[in-house]
Amino acid sequence: DAKTTQPPSMDCAEGRAANLPCNHSTISGNEYVYWYRQIHSQGPQYIIHGLKNNETNEMASLIITEDRKSSTLILPHATLRDTAVYYCIVRVDQAGTALIFGKGTTLSVSS
Amino acid sequence: DAGVTQSPTHLIKTRGQQVTLRCSPKSGHDTVSWYQQALGQGPQFIFQYYEEEERQRGNFPDRFSGHQFPNYSSELNVNALLLGDSALYLCASFDQGANTEAFFGQGTRLTVV
Repeated sequence: DAKTTQPPSMDCAEGRAANLPCNHSTISGNEYVYWYRQIHSQGPQYIIHGLKNNETNEMASLIITEDRKSSTLILPHATLRDTAVYYCIVRVDQAGTALIFGKGTTLSVSS
Repeated sequence: DAGVTQSPTHLIKTRGQQVTLRCSPKSGHDTVSWYQQALGQGPQFIFQYYEEEERQRGNFPDRFSGHQFPNYSSELNVNALLLGDSALYLCASFDQGANTEAFFGQGTRLTVV
């Protein structure tokens, strides 16, 4: 079973920041937080991952609370093309470890 | 550089038949994982192949089997198809040694009638 809890859906206006929360209260010390997204009819796409420090790349920022029990994925300027299902996954950062997906959050970006 | 490619893109089979799905990993990747995604659900891990051997397996019956070839490509076989096997089947690849993130293909949509 997935070790994360996410809201089933969220809405965001185009151009605004989208903040997607994730709870992972049972995360272990050696587990990372990964985010993937799946645009309709496509395979999941890696976004970002982190252990305990905040991370930023060209796609998004990841904010992890100090106790590591929750995190937030931030899309700073959402566009219509960011409409997708976003999955928060915790896993050890070890090659070969399977990704355990939950149901994710459906983000709808509207103009 | 081609990413992960899967074939066919769509497939319709009859209950009881057998099906083979194919996956070519991203260039430089040596490990392939297969996932099943039912409508409205997140992907579920089926199994993973590395060095031509099954290394991990999820909670799927023996009707689901696979193979990895020396060129790292992989096949997923499902025997005795059930209506409940209708789903999007996703292949993901990564470089075991580099511990890169997984890259997913577009999937094969299997419909069992």
